[in-house]
This record gives sequence, C-alpha cells and structure tokens, in this order.
Amino acid sequence: GAGVSQSPSNKVTEKGKDVELRCDPISGHTALYWYRQSLGQGLEFLIYFQGNSAPDKSGLPSDRFSAERTGGSVSTLTIQRTQQEDSAVYLCASRSPAGSGANVLTFGAGSRLTVL
Amino acid sequence: RKEVEQDPGPFNVPEGATVAFNCTYSNSASQSFFWYRQDCRKEPKLLMSVYSSGNEDGRFTAQLNRASQYISLLIRDSKLSDSATYLCVVKMDSSYKLIFGSGTRLLVRP
Repeated sequence: GAGVSQSPSNKVTEKGKDVELRCDPISGHTALYWYRQSLGQGLEFLIYFQGNSAPDKSGLPSDRFSAERTGGSVSTLTIQRTQQEDSAVYLCASRSPAGSGANVLTFGAGSRLTVL
Repeated sequence: RKEVEQDPGPFNVPEGATVAFNCTYSNSASQSFFWYRQDCRKEPKLLMSVYSSGNEDGRFTAQLNRASQYISLLIRDSKLSDSATYLCVVKMDSSYKLIFGSGTRLLVRP
C-alpha cells in the first residue's frame, strides 16, 4: 500500500485478556519494526523482521509478547494475559530498501492499547 | 548510560528565534544518524538525515561531531508550526537496530 497501515487504531481491553495488533507495511519494504511508546516517553524497540525472520527478539518485554510475519508482508504482535503496564501506543514501521533513502523508517499511525 | 540521550526540554522560544538541540550517543561505531519529528499523538516522521559533513534543509541544519559523539539540530526563524518533539535516531554500525532518543520538546510561542 501507499503507507504503513496498523489496526486496530484503538483497543481497550481488560487485564488478563489477549490482544493482537496488526501491521501492513509499505509494499516492497522487506524490513519491519515494532516499537512501543508509553505516555510522554520515547520509542522502545521491540522486534525487527527481515522478511519473515526476526533476528533479534531481545526487545520484547516478556514472554507474554510474541510477533510473527508471514509472506514477507503483514505482521502481528500478540500480547497474552495483558497487564496494565502494557498500556502504550504500539508503532510499526517499515524501512526503505538499500539505496537512496535507505534506513529511513516510515511509521504507521500506531495502535493505542489501554488495559483496564 | 542510555545509548542515545537528549535533553527533554521543553524549549520555549518566541517566533523567529533560533534554537538548537543536541543529542549524544554512546556507541562510537554508530554509522547513520537522523532527526525525526513527532507531533502530539501522531507517529514520528523523518525530518532529515544527518551527513558527516553536515547538511541543511531550508531553516534546518544538522551537524555531526564524531569526536564528541553528538549530533545537533539547528532551527532558524522558528515558526509556530515547528512546535513538536524532535527525536534523535542512531543506527549502530552494521546492525539493523535504529535507536531512538526520548525526544526534545519544542514550543514556539507567538
């Protein structure tokens, strides 16, 4: 697509429920990133995909967090047994391929998660 | 020590003022540097890349000082629309990781 698309834009859930966040990157961008931004804070790196592989998952806060990417395109971030501290905006970005503008991230509008 | 550090501000300046932000990074092997802008409750967007020799884009000038491991952003003739949070981003060596600073907030007043 023309930009990075994320859904849902807003999600309110009860503590203990599972949530799934979706990211559809820019067509042709093989690299995809997930970041988390808590209120008034900077961006916290979660995970990076190159194609369908995630070389580094060390940014995921706990084993309740997982992510996958299929077909080198759409990615889903799953949070199991949500806790109140998971409340944040989850931002997905895709990275332009090598060449002009390489390493530039284009972000989606984010998924705002509120855990009650 | 954080990998990328910024003064959170806020920097409160009048329209027309010149303002500068610095950002320090800890890894001397860092290779690529960027400034992103984030408006309130919006996603970050690329403002400009930072090149070794320094670069300018209209009212915005970015500089890199490898010896002291910092990058800077200078904004001349500030506009009300420049009010935002400015995020420093560093890419470490050949790694895929792009590390974001926590941002510097700028408020431009009439």
